[in-house]
Amino acid sequence: EAGVAQSPRYKIIEKRQSVAFWCNPISGHATLYWYQQILGQGPKLLIQFQNNGVVDDSQLPKDRFSAERLKGVDSTLKIQPAKLEDSAVYLCASSSPRVLKKDGYTFGSGTRLTVV
Amino acid sequence: GDSVTQMEGPVTLSEEAFLTINCTYTATGYPSLFWYVQYPGEGLQLLLKATKADDKGSNKGFEATYRKETTSFHLEKGSVQVSDSAVYFCALSNSGYALNFGKGTSLLVTP
Repeated sequence: EAGVAQSPRYKIIEKRQSVAFWCNPISGHATLYWYQQILGQGPKLLIQFQNNGVVDDSQLPKDRFSAERLKGVDSTLKIQPAKLEDSAVYLCASSSPRVLKKDGYTFGSGTRLTVV
Repeated sequence: GDSVTQMEGPVTLSEEAFLTINCTYTATGYPSLFWYVQYPGEGLQLLLKATKADDKGSNKGFEATYRKETTSFHLEKGSVQVSDSAVYFCALSNSGYALNFGKGTSLLVTP
């Protein structure tokens, strides 16, 4: 079974520029999550999708961050405009009720964003 | 809201030493509890989990028991190896919602 795919692995941008990250979850996983992991901290949930609907986006800074999951499969996370404090690793994870109790949540390798 | 508190690192141990990383939680209801590990340069990997009180999760010599009375899920290993050097995250999930992570504990095992 293929894992959660994310791209790009690394991105360096200047502040005020825009950037987008892509995630392809495990096939059949209805739930998709985006997390932000700042260096030295635990991952923080940004947004949770169930199929193509948003379940929780309470911690998403909506003035600059947006996310979509068209057709309930792939997802993109966008930052526009980026700030220095957005430098972090952006993690995508997926799960399904069928595997949640057995395997938990599966994380991608993440995209490391550096804003200069 | 739900939260996880884990001991501050870094933790430095000699090879074959006993490891304990403390984790306590605050949550309504009956959350599932997890330990994730992040090796240098790699992504988050599930280490072990427990879904109800008194359950013991175990994997690769690591163990943790879900203690509802003390709201704890401490990670233990009897004899650590250099290859166990990593950052360990305690996390909880309530009713199948997203994981809520602690800040992580860095472990360095020296030969």
